[in-house]
Amino acid sequence: EVQLVESGGGLVQPGGSLRLSCSASGFTFSSYAMHWVRQAPGKGLESVSVISTNGGSTYYADSVKGRFTISRDNSENTLYLQMSSLRAEDTAVYYCVKYEDWGIGRYFDLWGRGTLVTVSS
Amino acid sequence: IQLTQSPSSLSASVGDRVTITCRASQGISSYLAWYQQKPGKAPKLLIYAASTLQSGVPSRFSGSGSGTDFTLTISSLQPEDFATYYCQQLHSYPFTFGPGTQVDIK
Repeated sequence: EVQLVESGGGLVQPGGSLRLSCSASGFTFSSYAMHWVRQAPGKGLESVSVISTNGGSTYYADSVKGRFTISRDNSENTLYLQMSSLRAEDTAVYYCVKYEDWGIGRYFDLWGRGTLVTVSS
Repeated sequence: IQLTQSPSSLSASVGDRVTITCRASQGISSYLAWYQQKPGKAPKLLIYAASTLQSGVPSRFSGSGSGTDFTLTISSLQPEDFATYYCQQLHSYPFTFGPGTQVDIK
């Protein structure tokens, strides 16, 4: 089955750290760039970070730059998001997303179910 | 690149024709996608490249536009279509989303 399954969310205190994982199956993980997208409670969608197929290129939203690190292990079909110096405004559901890019066709075609990160004392 | 959507919410009846617009702050060619999200669920891709229907998506959904102005149309609203709809630009990083349009039952 083609799917993405996130894990690692939970309650963390402000200033703390957390590592999210995303396990991919059913497709050739190493062939696709991968994204993390988050959604604060009752709010819209925000792209957080992206990593290229081989991990050589990454991009971060200004809101998380310097605090979050995206990485991947293609041998384990797993995407990671290391989050540090967490703030209350980082509270959100974090989605792992597969990015399809061919010619004019660019889109997020596979989403995980999300994992909730709550930053609170 | 900033995206705006209008309206922010609407109430409609089953069978109604619904149109949602998305405007980009600068030209994005046809690098625009539309997603549907229901409460507690992940977004679902409906349309990419502004007007290409994703496989498995009902044909009552359609998209149009290029450059800065785009439209998502639902030709005959069905009960399962009540949800929030987001546009997304994939022209340049960061890939931004519109603020969403909530479609409720009248």
